Amino acid sequence: ETGVTQSPTHLIKTRGQQVTLRCSSQSGHNTVSWYQQALGQGPQFIFQYYREEENGRGNFPPRFSGLQFPNYSSELNVNALELDDSALYLCAIGQLYGYTFGSGTRLTVV
Amino acid sequence: GEDVEQSLFLSVREGDSSVINCTYTDSSSTYLYWYKQEPGAGLQLLTYIFSNMDMKQDQRLTVLLNKKDKHLSLRIADTQTGDSAIYFCAPLSGSSNTGKLIFGQGTTLQVKP
Repeated sequence: ETGVTQSPTHLIKTRGQQVTLRCSSQSGHNTVSWYQQALGQGPQFIFQYYREEENGRGNFPPRFSGLQFPNYSSELNVNALELDDSALYLCAIGQLYGYTFGSGTRLTVV
Repeated sequence: GEDVEQSLFLSVREGDSSVINCTYTDSSSTYLYWYKQEPGAGLQLLTYIFSNMDMKQDQRLTVLLNKKDKHLSLRIADTQTGDSAIYFCAPLSGSSNTGKLIFGQGTTLQVKP
């Protein structure tokens, strides 16, 4: 049990739709990051939130957006879904001595 | 840009040692992590090393860092079938509050009985 919970675990969406993925941690940390892991690849950094502000972003278009709430839970929103958005989406709570990842949400876009 | 390279596949016999190698490009990485991923699962932190260290040992795991060559390795002693998984090295790029982990494609470790 990592202490980081992601929901839902699996999701199927149609191209063009919008999706919201959620992440929460038992202990609450002020840094949360999101990663996209395509099949057979390593995770790619999407963005990071620190105290409810986005403070770092990878090479992802603006249709990928996020929120962090006062209780340190977080959401990843993706608009106008494309087939290539099919991937495992991972959130991680930021700790210097080891970022802790959730089990991920498997998103399939058809 | 930042990049991480790992060999894609390693096969060993149960009881042998496994050595997984990684090279990276960001010389300013202060923390370098090793993660394990089992099929269909998230990432499990195995260990980390700080950039001013050459070696770190943690039970069956030994991490070696050659900062000059930007080379990191993970040695697993007495490898077991339960160690079969994908292993990622992940240097931290940037500061502790704004940094991001850089992942390569990972090394698939196959342990044969």
